[in-house]
Amino acid sequence: NAGVTQTPKFQVLKTGQSMTLQCAQDMNHEYMSWYRQDPGMGLRLIHYSVGAGITDQGEVPNGYNVSRSTTEDFPLRLLSAAPSQTSVYFCASSYRADGDIRNSPLHFGNGTRLTVT
Amino acid sequence: QQPVQSPQAVILREGEDAVINCSSSKALYSVHWYRQKHGEAPVFLMILLKGGEQKGHEKISASFNEKKQQSSLYLTASQLSYSGTYFCGTEGNSGGYQKVTFGIGTKLQVIP
Repeated sequence: NAGVTQTPKFQVLKTGQSMTLQCAQDMNHEYMSWYRQDPGMGLRLIHYSVGAGITDQGEVPNGYNVSRSTTEDFPLRLLSAAPSQTSVYFCASSYRADGDIRNSPLHFGNGTRLTVT
Repeated sequence: QQPVQSPQAVILREGEDAVINCSSSKALYSVHWYRQKHGEAPVFLMILLKGGEQKGHEKISASFNEKKQQSSLYLTASQLSYSGTYFCGTEGNSGGYQKVTFGIGTKLQVIP
């Protein structure tokens, strides 16, 4: 199993450009989420999904869109990139263990390092 | 409502022990612990659940005081491989969905 795969690994954008960060998992996990990591701020939740067709906002959703059309994929879209979105982005997935999703560890991808100039 | 971790950084010699603390201002259902090495993804260490159950797979122990909304991670006889940044993540009681809120991390360096 590949686990959680994120592409690209690195990306440089100009202000105002759009792009999609890809995330795919092959573990049949129902839950997927996106975090951004900035120095001194830890990991902050952007959006999450509890299954295909269901998404919701996390702590810092502004400027980002998501959709979940399949169990495997959870892309993150930046519609108009801003320098404040320069960050490392991590996608994570987990499964419902013991009947409660909150008992489950998060499996992280290797991250996408995004720079917006 | 980010959990607060302490200390922010610690340097240990091989073989020494360390404790990393995590406290929250809200009632907790579970506490997660992850370790992240530089340039890599966070890796799961342990989940502590309300009611005392502990899930993990590393030779690291932890405690969870539900009443005080605090957790501590215990690293004993530290090894060079323990170096990295440790994050606690907390899960509240409300809702059935997983929304893990992370602290800013504790940077641990183990030196020979």
